[in-house]
Amino acid sequence: DTAVSQTPKYLVTQMGNDKSIKCEQNLGHDTMYWYKQDSKKFLKIMFSYNNKELIINETVPNRFSPKSPDKAHLNLHINSLELGDSAVYFCASGQEVVNVLTFGAGSRLTVL
Amino acid sequence: GIQVEQSPPDLILQEGANSTLRCNFSDSVNNLQWFHQNPWGQLINLFYIPSGTKQNGRLSATTVATERYSLLYISSSQTTDSGVYFCAVVGGSEKLVFGKGTKLTVNP
Repeated sequence: DTAVSQTPKYLVTQMGNDKSIKCEQNLGHDTMYWYKQDSKKFLKIMFSYNNKELIINETVPNRFSPKSPDKAHLNLHINSLELGDSAVYFCASGQEVVNVLTFGAGSRLTVL
Repeated sequence: GIQVEQSPPDLILQEGANSTLRCNFSDSVNNLQWFHQNPWGQLINLFYIPSGTKQNGRLSATTVATERYSLLYISSSQTTDSGVYFCAVVGGSEKLVFGKGTKLTVNP
């Protein structure tokens, strides 16, 4: 199926741990994104990559590090997890010009 | 940066009713999208509509870019329409900025 797929879907971990979320799209899109959705459902962009190059980097703590090995993959690594990092993280992709976004199913991170 | 305001924040309907959701934005945009987040959390793109009117089944959307607003119409609502509807825009920053959403509950 053509889609944006994220793994894992659920992640429960302790404060201070390091974790990664992976994202892959097979839609042939040039641009990929990470969004964070907080407990009030507010969606905020974190990062955007275009053809493996970082183009948007919001005011996100440097404990968050995105990595794009190729234009079909954008992974998110989080160091030294904090309680406030608990959220749903969405990966998305889009074509550069029109930029209609397709979202993955989300990864719910719970930090205890 | 660009501000996006959606109204109403919450809406409760009986099945079969019609509704209008509104999205106001603070600056000119070159990209506007409506999304539906279902109760399971999946975000589905409904419309890409920087201007004009589009229809897809019971849903339609209109954007009046010169007046900086967009409307999403849902006719003959069904329980499966429940969820949160988001409007998102791109201004000059190339970032898709989301509104806070309208939570729709359709009761049988």
